[in-house]
Amino acid sequence: NAGVTQTPKFQVLKTGQSMTLQCAQDMNHEYMSWYRQDPGMGLRLIHYSVGAGITDQGEVPNGYNVSRSTTEDFPLRLLSAAPSQTSVYFCASSYSLGARGNTEAFFGQGTRLTVV
Amino acid sequence: TQLLEQSPQFLSIQEGENLTVYCNSSSVFSSLQWYRQEPGEGPVLLVTVVTGGEVKKLKRLTFQFGDARKDSSLHITAAQPGDTGLYLCAGERNNAGNMLTFGGGTRLMVKP
Repeated sequence: NAGVTQTPKFQVLKTGQSMTLQCAQDMNHEYMSWYRQDPGMGLRLIHYSVGAGITDQGEVPNGYNVSRSTTEDFPLRLLSAAPSQTSVYFCASSYSLGARGNTEAFFGQGTRLTVV
Repeated sequence: TQLLEQSPQFLSIQEGENLTVYCNSSSVFSSLQWYRQEPGEGPVLLVTVVTGGEVKKLKRLTFQFGDARKDSSLHITAAQPGDTGLYLCAGERNNAGNMLTFGGGTRLMVKP
């Protein structure tokens, strides 16, 4: 019953460093997404994917890259970390119900990132 | 400006009191989901409402979707300390892969 697994749970980066946040799901969901959560802002969509090989930008994509080479994995790359990217990052997966929209989003436990 | 406005942002009440959390937007959503989040964890779904005017009950929690599918409310009756947490509403629109747009959240504390 792994669900959505995110690694690492905590990370401290220096300004300018790059890193990849890992996300894997074992539910065969075609939809995956990355959100960041800041105080008072709820969750904001960074990037999402509707299937392997397909990605698109969300509300706040600048400074982040994603790829989706397999159904299971959806890594998020920070190209050159900035203090403004200090946040808690959540990966989520769901599957489509066609015209009825998507199922609920299943979230990982989050990665708490601090950029100094 | 957020697409989904939640109010209040913070709520501190005594055990046994009732409360209502509101989620408002000028946009129409195909569905509205309510999540609850505990510290150090990801959000977990409580309920999904799909039809305008729909009301769903989950024990002491009552969820309502507005007739125009632009707003929703969560009412908790006789709140208990176990209800403490962050409540998030999220709207699904028929674009952007039906990805969710979240409100800012309501942080609820129920004191014994």
